[in-house]
Amino acid sequence: DTGVSQDPRHKITKRGQNVTFRCDPISEHNRLYWYRQTLGQGPEFLTYFQNEAQLEKSRLLSDRFSAERPKGSFSTLEIQRTEQGDSAMYLCASSPGQSFRELFFGEGSRLTVL
Amino acid sequence: QKEVEQNSGPLSVPEGAIASLNCTYSDRVSQSFFWYRQYSGKSPELIMSIYSNGDKEDGRFTAQLNKASQYVSLLIRDSQPSDSATYLCAVNMGSGGYNKLIFGAGTRLAVHP
Repeated sequence: DTGVSQDPRHKITKRGQNVTFRCDPISEHNRLYWYRQTLGQGPEFLTYFQNEAQLEKSRLLSDRFSAERPKGSFSTLEIQRTEQGDSAMYLCASSPGQSFRELFFGEGSRLTVL
Repeated sequence: QKEVEQNSGPLSVPEGAIASLNCTYSDRVSQSFFWYRQYSGKSPELIMSIYSNGDKEDGRFTAQLNKASQYVSLLIRDSQPSDSATYLCAVNMGSGGYNKLIFGAGTRLAVHP
């Protein structure tokens, strides 16, 4: 399978716990995006990486959220001190580069905070 | 005003009919536009992209773009029950040379036999 891979697919946690999601983009895609989607809404942009550089971070991303892409390949999204409002689907997408504008999405990581 | 607006639906059409999905956007300088289909519990998958004013056809799907009116639409001909899904309109609002897709809330389409 050469698509975008996300892990874990489902995570149930208690409020106040930390969680981390991993995304492996399509090989050689240098652009990586994180989105969040709640029920009945479209995906909301969270952050964007070009190679290892985080070039934009949405105001939606509070200080409890941090994303990294240390070697320009896989990325992690960590949520500290989770709140019930963090419950959502976290989608990762990748894109080859500037001349190719479509985003390819992974299957998502669904977070439930109890 | 939301950056990308869609009617939430549901839009209900009989099998074999044409389904028409609409989207308006706020950023006048946007240059690329996308329609994604999302089945319940699944991730979005790209159906169509359109960059120039006018129509673009791909099989049963036609995307229409009018930049002056800041309007993009998707027509699905010969609708099938398998087309029942949420259709997301996405507009590239990136600047500085990168692509940042902003999505509408989606329109839920129900095709009934």
